[in-house]
Amino acid sequence: GESVGLHLPTLSVQEGDNSIINCAYSNSASDYFIWYKQESGKGPQFIIDIRSNMDKRQGQRVTVLLNKTVKHLSLQIAATQPGDSAVYFCAESKGSNYQLIWGAGTKLIIKP
Amino acid sequence: NAGVMQNPRHLVRRRGQEARLRCSPMKGHSHVYWYRQLPEEGLKFMVYLQKENIIDESGMPKERFSAEFPKEGPSILRIQQVVRGDSAAYFCASSPRVEANTEAFFGQGTRLTVV
Repeated sequence: GESVGLHLPTLSVQEGDNSIINCAYSNSASDYFIWYKQESGKGPQFIIDIRSNMDKRQGQRVTVLLNKTVKHLSLQIAATQPGDSAVYFCAESKGSNYQLIWGAGTKLIIKP
Repeated sequence: NAGVMQNPRHLVRRRGQEARLRCSPMKGHSHVYWYRQLPEEGLKFMVYLQKENIIDESGMPKERFSAEFPKEGPSILRIQQVVRGDSAAYFCASSPRVEANTEAFFGQGTRLTVV
């Protein structure tokens, strides 16, 4: 069946270092992927998205990489800051952009 | 622009009672989406509504759950005869049009606890 999963439930990173959060998906027909950030007690916040016709997309301090061959998605955060502490979710969809299938999340902890 | 407003933030109900969750979309947004989140899990789509219309309710349980988005007022997610398994965080999001994830914003959620 369809599933989106993350390799690491918790990631600790030194402030200032780069963070890489990974995500595996199983549905090769998925054509749209999103990364969300969810801070404690808040709703998810859109970070960046990518369509399957691309393999890389950059935003402000963030880069999403898509490897369709191995069905792998990653989020890279440059120069991680304390404000980056949150749970990060990847989500996938096929066709519909609101019927996303969400992964379980990775908690990013920033060490001072 | 106050953003997507959900209330209450926390709701406690006894088994068998009704829960009403409200979501006021951002100004200018006519599309509302409801999601459920269990602890340490991702969100699961429940229903997508436009003003006075349910567009897609494929993620919503057929029994006890209903949703509406009237012409005037907030969108309401209603859970009748709540059970312990309904305990979760319920989020709504709004967007100015469908398929606009980059312009969709989430509320802070309602945390429902069934005792």
